[in-house]
Amino acid sequence: AQSVTQPDIHITVSEGASLELRCNYSYGATPYLFWYVQSPGQGLQLLLKYFSGDTLVQGIKGFEAEFKRSQSSFNLRKPSVHWSDAAEYFCAVGAVAGTALIFGKGTTLSVSS
Amino acid sequence: NAGVTQTPKFQVLKTGQSMTLQCAQDMNHNSMYWYRQDPGMGLRLIYYSASEGTTDKGEVPNGYNVSRLNKREFSLRLESAAPSQTSVYFCAIEKQGSAMGFAERNEQFFGPGTRLTVL
Repeated sequence: AQSVTQPDIHITVSEGASLELRCNYSYGATPYLFWYVQSPGQGLQLLLKYFSGDTLVQGIKGFEAEFKRSQSSFNLRKPSVHWSDAAEYFCAVGAVAGTALIFGKGTTLSVSS
Repeated sequence: NAGVTQTPKFQVLKTGQSMTLQCAQDMNHNSMYWYRQDPGMGLRLIYYSASEGTTDKGEVPNGYNVSRLNKREFSLRLESAAPSQTSVYFCAIEKQGSAMGFAERNEQFFGPGTRLTVL
């Protein structure tokens, strides 16, 4: 069955520290992979996506993600976290456009000063 | 350019009442989606429409119906609301195709959400 697992429900990081959010997926074919961010009371915004090519993908707001086929993982990273990064982060996988996109249950990021 | 609009923003229903959530887009995208978001459950797909005239069930379609009225509008109907349908509902749109001609997966744009409470 197709699924996305985000093992960490809640993570707290100090401002200025590095961040890594984990995402593991189970999918029959090579999927499109996405990371979205949701600020409180808002809809979701795309951070980055991957389908093929360079396995290290750069996104907006200084985020990057690395695709590791052997581990079925697509972890999100940021070298230095800012207080404004506090939000909920969702990993998602899917096939071509017009088909379902499967979301993980999300990881809530808190940033401490 | 509003992108994706949803009405209403908030709604309180009694068990057994019906209502329709409206979603409209001005980006001329083919695919439209309805999700529900519940604490600790992430986003779960209710129904989607790959293009005008087609609809498909997602992960949690029971208790819902949809209508793709035209390319712009995709409505979600609760015929007999239940407390288990208390949730935040998001509509999303996605552009199909790419400059290369194949069905490349693109970004989904989300509406602001409808917060529904069923008593």
